[in-house]
Amino acid sequence: GENVEQHPSTLSVQEGDSAVIKCTYSDSASNYFPWYKQELGKRPQLIIDIRSNVGEKKDQRIAVTLNKTAKHFSLHITETQPEDSAVYFCAATGKTSYDKVIFGPGTSLSVIP
Amino acid sequence: NAGVTQTPKFQVLKTGQSMTLQCAQDMNHEYMSWYRQDPGMGLRLIHYSVGAGITDQGEVPNGYNVSRSTTEDFPLRLLSAAPSQTSVYFCASSWEVNDSPLHFGNGTRLTVT
Repeated sequence: GENVEQHPSTLSVQEGDSAVIKCTYSDSASNYFPWYKQELGKRPQLIIDIRSNVGEKKDQRIAVTLNKTAKHFSLHITETQPEDSAVYFCAATGKTSYDKVIFGPGTSLSVIP
Repeated sequence: NAGVTQTPKFQVLKTGQSMTLQCAQDMNHEYMSWYRQDPGMGLRLIHYSVGAGITDQGEVPNGYNVSRSTTEDFPLRLLSAAPSQTSVYFCASSWEVNDSPLHFGNGTRLTVT
């Protein structure tokens, strides 16, 4: 079945530096790749997503890149701020609306002021 | 719109008891799913549904039962609670899971003693 790996499991950066989180997926038919942010004690919420026909997408300080050949996608956060501290999850979904969503194990990001 | 509503927010059960976690969404989403999140861990898929009358198993279905009689509701039943089922349970829904994000409820924190 589909498997999503995510690295690193923990990441600590100085405020203002960049953070990069990488995910790989196993199903070459995967079509949609969202990223979720989960603050402590709260629910996961979408921060950015990318579809298989796009290589890169940006939203202010956040960007996602997708390499379909290598089956990996990455989250890039620039000019990190303390409020970026959270757990980040990548996910992958198959080609059809009948497929399930599988999450990566998560990355705990700490931004040190 | 209320989005995805989960009840109860907290629950304590004794080993062997049964209960139902409720999930309702008012966004007319076809896809609904249940995840469990253990402390410091990721999101593991329990069961999911791609429409009324259709359910399927996820990664960790044992000990749980679901049904989907309406588009709006997707209850999760614990048949005979065990301490290993102590976790936070999230319900999530999506318009079209291979092209749009999951919307999460606020979670139910379950403790089994």
